[in-house]
Amino acid sequence: GDSVTQMEGPVTLSEEAFLTINCTYTATGYPSLFWYVQYPGEGLQLLLKATKADDKGSNKGFEATYRKETTSFHLEKGSVQVSDSAVYFCALSDMDTGRRALTFGSGTRLQVQP
Amino acid sequence: DGGITQSPKYLFRKEGQNVTLSCEQNLNHDAMYWYRQDPGQGLRLIYYSQIVNDFQKGDIAEGYSVSREKKESFPLTVTSAQKNPTAFYLCASSIRAGADYEQYFGPGTRLTVT
Repeated sequence: GDSVTQMEGPVTLSEEAFLTINCTYTATGYPSLFWYVQYPGEGLQLLLKATKADDKGSNKGFEATYRKETTSFHLEKGSVQVSDSAVYFCALSDMDTGRRALTFGSGTRLQVQP
Repeated sequence: DGGITQSPKYLFRKEGQNVTLSCEQNLNHDAMYWYRQDPGQGLRLIYYSQIVNDFQKGDIAEGYSVSREKKESFPLTVTSAQKNPTAFYLCASSIRAGADYEQYFGPGTRLTVT
């Protein structure tokens, strides 16, 4: 079945450092890919998405490019802030399987220190 | 403001009791979902509903039941048959079920069973 693998956390960075969180996937069909963010004690919020190969999703300084050849969707940000501290989830949705729901990775906790 | 409401935020129950978690949305979305989140793990799909009066089992449906009698409501019952019910439960909705449609999440209910 479909699956998403994320790098384990926590990732600890200093403010203004460069961020990369790796995400790779396995899926039948042609998935759409998402990054969601979860702040402490809250639900998830969509951060960005990409629906086809070579698409780049971007939002709030975060970017991720849908790489079909490497089955990856790595999240990047050039300069992190303390307010970016949260748990980040990579997810996919594959219409072809008829599942019509998201498959999530295990999440990566980001801690940004002042 | 449109959104998803889950209540209560914290719920405590004794082992052997059934408990129902509320999820209401005023976004006029057709599709609704229930996920379970455990520490250090991603979200796992319990049940989903693409339309009123229809719902499908997800990956971990055993010990849970749902109903979808109204478009805006998708309550989840955690039964005494669920072996390990203590977890964080998240409800989500999307305009329609499908790969490209963003899922909006509620704030979650943390259930503790002792």
